Amino acid sequence: QQQVKQSPQSLIVQKGGISIINCAYENTAFDYFPWYQQFPGKGPALLIAIRPDVSEKKEGRFTISFNKSAKQFSLHIMDSQPGDSATYFCAASMRGNFGNEKLTFGTGTRLTIIP
Amino acid sequence: NAGVTQTPKFRVLKTGQSMTLLCAQDMNHEYMYWYRQDPGMGLRLIHYSVGEGTTAKGEVPDGYNVSRLKKQNFLLGLESAAPSQTSVYFCASSPFAGGSTDTQYFGPGTRLTVL
Repeated sequence: QQQVKQSPQSLIVQKGGISIINCAYENTAFDYFPWYQQFPGKGPALLIAIRPDVSEKKEGRFTISFNKSAKQFSLHIMDSQPGDSATYFCAASMRGNFGNEKLTFGTGTRLTIIP
Repeated sequence: NAGVTQTPKFRVLKTGQSMTLLCAQDMNHEYMYWYRQDPGMGLRLIHYSVGEGTTAKGEVPDGYNVSRLKKQNFLLGLESAAPSQTSVYFCASSPFAGGSTDTQYFGPGTRLTVL
């Protein structure tokens, strides 16, 4: 059962454009929503994250929009650059019995920024 | 400060062979995780550990065993490898709950092929 659905699977955006990746979740117990960026041959790295008590978080060119009632969240990359070409994973998390965050990942979006 | 390191980077096994993947972190993190990454499926949690000497099952634990004898090391074992275990394996670690971040820090991955 895919608890976090991510779309699109792949995305091609012109340099300078806006890249938008969407995710939807089912479990209302999730309380932390990070986005991870992964370059080929590397491990994922945290890009930006949000908690459900806010509707938007912005860090530089990256913004998370969060809609709690719709159980959806999205990543917007403004002024997309070739260096942003990577695979992006959304995730949703809840605290485990021992306090650790248990992440459930989306299936990933391969983003390509073309000149 | 190397972060999270994984050994080996690549491995080819024959069906039925056994092997151990080693993960090491030098950030004094309490929690450690093993994930597998397969095309179109994102990252799925295999096992995790909330402290030295403790382990727990994740989403896809069958066919794997783990041990955490030292805080900085987390081992993933395959007792009898199967072709279905062909994947890229990622280790991650995160600090104790209640800290300023819930970030999971990922290693560079181990690409395993089972023939």
